[in-house]
Amino acid sequence: NAGVMQNPRHLVRRRGQEARLRCSPMKGHSHVYWYRQLPEEGLKFMVYLQKENIIDESGMPKERFSAEFPKEGPSILRIQQVVRGDSAAYFCASSPLGSSGNTIYFGEGSWLTVV
Amino acid sequence: DQQVKQNSPSLSVQEGRISILNCDYTNSMFDYFLWYKKYPAEGPTFLISISSIKDKNEDGRFTVFLNKSAKHLSLHIVPSQPGDSAVYFCAASADITGTASKLTFGTGTRLQVTL
Repeated sequence: NAGVMQNPRHLVRRRGQEARLRCSPMKGHSHVYWYRQLPEEGLKFMVYLQKENIIDESGMPKERFSAEFPKEGPSILRIQQVVRGDSAAYFCASSPLGSSGNTIYFGEGSWLTVV
Repeated sequence: DQQVKQNSPSLSVQEGRISILNCDYTNSMFDYFLWYKKYPAEGPTFLISISSIKDKNEDGRFTVFLNKSAKHLSLHIVPSQPGDSAVYFCAASADITGTASKLTFGTGTRLQVTL
């Protein structure tokens, strides 16, 4: 969808394991956003990153969750010691600048299932 | 606390007729509103937006209406086509620029356009 690549598309983890979700933004985009969609809920903003910087992490849970967007390579959302409540669809979006919601492009999502 | 509500989880409309998708919000600070369309196994894609200084915005078959006093917006699709079958998310931002890091999404309405 519009060139934002997320992998894996589906990930199953046992409780207590780590989950790593990757997002490669569209070519030329240096801003990445992560959203989470829990079952029966709307997408919720988690974190906004530029290359090597976290701009806004106000939506990130305080523990176990971290995100990075290194100078080289994809953005990674890392969830340590996963619990059942982490089961959700995680969407990454990218933009060329710190943009309005009408100029960001979403990836196809990564579905995490914790068993 | 769901600040953006889409109370109809699903809607079925006949091809050629009008589809009306509704969205209510509770936060009076919201200034910018967007609609996204999502196909299965894909990320949301931007459809149309409206700022609080307007009460209507039109783009082809899609029109969004905003009633600030009622804290209500709606998306009209005329005429509806089978390819419009998707989940539609309403989103709102308290930032007039609609910055992507401050979007609050509704839970979505699944539209099915039948032949």
